[in-house]
Amino acid sequence: SQTIHQWPATLVQPVGSPLSLECTVEGTSNPNLYWYRQAAGRGLQLLFYSVGIGQISSEVPQNLSASRPQDRQFILSSKKLLLSDSGFYLCAWALGTGPLDGYTFGSGTRLTVV
Amino acid sequence: TQLLEQSPQFLSIQEGENLTVYCNSSSVFSSLQWYRQEPGEGPVLLVTVVTGGEVKKLKRLTFQFGDARKDSSLHITAAQPGDTGLYLCAGVGSGGSNYKLTFGKGTLLTVNP
Repeated sequence: SQTIHQWPATLVQPVGSPLSLECTVEGTSNPNLYWYRQAAGRGLQLLFYSVGIGQISSEVPQNLSASRPQDRQFILSSKKLLLSDSGFYLCAWALGTGPLDGYTFGSGTRLTVV
Repeated sequence: TQLLEQSPQFLSIQEGENLTVYCNSSSVFSSLQWYRQEPGEGPVLLVTVVTGGEVKKLKRLTFQFGDARKDSSLHITAAQPGDTGLYLCAGVGSGGSNYKLTFGKGTLLTVNP
């Protein structure tokens, strides 16, 4: 069966510090991978998605970046965090891009920038 | 940009009551998905509706996709405290944007015992 791992679960970082969040998927090959951010009362905002190794599409201009060094690994990074980067970060995968392909989400990382 | 509007934003009801939440857009979607999210967790897929007018039932939950594939509704019968959570609808684009879902802001449901 497929599983998705996301860590850490919670993180408190000072403004200006770097960030690295990791997400890995097991039990499938060549998944589509996604990073979302969820702020209170604002739903899910798509940050990045990837359809293959080294292929990253950015949805929102910001000081975050993403990388996919391996087929089932997706990393969200920042060189210098801002207060506005606080939020709940969710990684998700989907096997395909058809109308029936739902997303499977990780359990999220609660990031607080202080 | 395809937007999904969900209503109501917040809903607090007593155990045993029925409720309906709505998901509306001016855009056509290939499909609409409904997720439920509990605090501190990621959303979990409940159902996908694909055909205009389609109705799907999942125990006490009934999902409907509008005829024009622009809107959807979720009806819960005899709500229970375990139904508490954030209900999110998400749409798959109808052309050239199948790689990503567009999410609504969600309806936060609280079912009081």
